[in-house]
This record gives sequence, C-alpha cells and structure tokens, in this order.
Amino acid sequence: EVQLVESGGGLVQPGGSLRLSCAASGFSFTSYWMTWVRQAPGKGLQWVASIKQDGTEKNYVDSVEGRFIISRDNAKNSVSLQMNSLRVEDTAVYYCARAPFGRGSYSDYWGQGTLVTVSS
Amino acid sequence: DIQMTQSPSSVSASVGDRVTITCQASQDIINFLSWYQQKPGKAPTLLIYDASNLETGVPSRFSGSGSGIDFTFTITSLQPEDIGTYYCQQYDNLPLTFGGGTKVEI
Repeated sequence: EVQLVESGGGLVQPGGSLRLSCAASGFSFTSYWMTWVRQAPGKGLQWVASIKQDGTEKNYVDSVEGRFIISRDNAKNSVSLQMNSLRVEDTAVYYCARAPFGRGSYSDYWGQGTLVTVSS
Repeated sequence: DIQMTQSPSSVSASVGDRVTITCQASQDIINFLSWYQQKPGKAPTLLIYDASNLETGVPSRFSGSGSGIDFTFTITSLQPEDIGTYYCQQYDNLPLTFGGGTKVEI
C-alpha cells in the first residue's frame, strides 16, 4: 500500500524557516518524481515544487523560487521542503504527492498534509 | 502560466442527478488534464487522468472528456458520498495549475 506521511508543520514567525518532510513507503521511491502542493485555508490547490527521481532536476512555482528548496533522500525514501524567508501568504496545508509521469504529471497518491502557519 | 477556469463554483443536486463540471484552459493542453475529489478535511484523491482515463478503483459513475482547451467532468448518478470539492489540473506545462474548484452539495 502506497503511503505518504508528512511532518514538520507548525507555527513560525514571518521571515522564519521551517523544514517539512515526507516519508514514503509501499512503492519504489526511486522510480518517481515527487511533488509538494499546498492549500491555503479555505482556498484551492497550488503546485509548489517537484523533484526528479535522482534529485538532479527541481522545479518551483515563481512565488517560492529562491526561498524554498526541495530535496530527497533516496536511501531513506523521503522528500523534504526547506522553507526560508516565510511569509504570511505561505500559510497553508502542504501535501506531499507522487507524480507518476515526470515533471509534467498529475499526482496519483497524496499524503494527509501538514499545516504551516506563518504569523507573528 | 496556463489559467484553468472551472465552473460552476458550486452546485447543489439531488441523489441520482447528473452533475457536470467544466474546465477551460487558457491555451491548448492537448489531453494533459486530471480531475480530483477533495472531501472536507482530507487530501485530494485522483479520479481521472489524461482527460478521460478513470483511475483504478474509481467508480464508473465518474467520467471525463474533452481535449484542447475545453474539458468536462460528469457524475452520472450523484451519490451521498460524492459530496466534496472537485478540481481540475493541467500538467501540460509548468507551473502545474489547478482550477478554482467546484463544491458539490446535496
């Protein structure tokens, strides 16, 4: 059974940093791109970042480029999102998801999400 | 960026009704479109990919069609467990973008 479990969310002040992690199991992790998608409270879905199987290619939405870093540890079957210079508008539930067909792909499995609140 | 315009934003229907949601892309996305269902407080789940392919395990009352810029998602006979918000997503180009969502109520 495919499982994705996010952790690391919490309350942080504007300008602060937070690192999210996603533990994957139940599939061949090294065969898939992985993605982060976020959802602000009461709002729709927004793609944040994606990373290639070997970590050599990373893509970001413009609004987080230069502030967020996506990475993966294939030995631990995990993907992370380092979030720096956080803004109030980064407040959202962050979902980790599997992308079966590369950088331009839908997401076939999603984690339960972790809430990040940026507030003073 | 490719804009995805989804309508209606909400729909109220009765059990057994046919429900149709449309999604229009701001440019040709061929058939690189997926549909998700999100129940309150839960993560989205994939229903349809490549515009018309039903994800494994998804009931056949859900279907999708379309190509180019105009796409349609249909629930042929609405069930109580279908309440939630539905989103389309294009994956033809980065950034991946979603429609604004359609809330389905009974």
